[in-house]
Amino acid sequence: GAVVSQHPSRVICKSGTSVKIECRSLDFQATTMFWYRQFPKKSLMLMATSNEGSKATYEQGVEKDKFLINHASLTLSTLTVTSAHPEDSSFYICSASRSLERSYNEQFFGPGTRLTVL
Amino acid sequence: AQKITQTQPGMFVQEKEAVTLDCTYDTSDQSYGLFWYKQPSSGEMIFLIYQGSYDEQNATEGRYSLNFQKARKSANLVISASQLGDSAMYFCAMRGGASKIIFGSGTRLSIRP
Repeated sequence: GAVVSQHPSRVICKSGTSVKIECRSLDFQATTMFWYRQFPKKSLMLMATSNEGSKATYEQGVEKDKFLINHASLTLSTLTVTSAHPEDSSFYICSASRSLERSYNEQFFGPGTRLTVL
Repeated sequence: AQKITQTQPGMFVQEKEAVTLDCTYDTSDQSYGLFWYKQPSSGEMIFLIYQGSYDEQNATEGRYSLNFQKARKSANLVISASQLGDSAMYFCAMRGGASKIIFGSGTRLSIRP
């Protein structure tokens, strides 16, 4: 099966610093990657859709300048939380699909990254 | 606009019993897909089962089956012969025309020995 990794799995940072989270598809090329945010005991909220080589599409209410997404290759997308604050503390999950047309049942999730901002 | 509703925040079930997790959805898309994911305490999202809107038969995957009632816009997950390892959060999700997947609020399932 397809494997998606995330790095780091946990990160603790000071308020005001920036944090980069990587999402990699290990054994397939991901034309589309999705970034989700999950608060404790809550559902996954889609933040943005990232297509390789183009700008990410952000969901309503998600600050583009706060959450920078780069999808520079078919196996790597990064989410950078800029000038992080305690309210940015959350569980961030990425998912990847092989192609837009086949993403019906081929979206593979990473293990998530737990961000804690002090 | 698309919407997924899970009305059961938590459920307790005796081991070996069957359990049904409810999910209703709303969409204006003619073509869509419905998913169920399991999220254990470790946080990983585990894909369980998928149902396409044009699939005539209900999807089944081992102990999991999806009771798809298109007219009622419901896609309930049935787990047969529940096991202790089934204790987790379960999310119903839908993919519409924009390819993105939206999730319901989840149901926390606890299996009693």
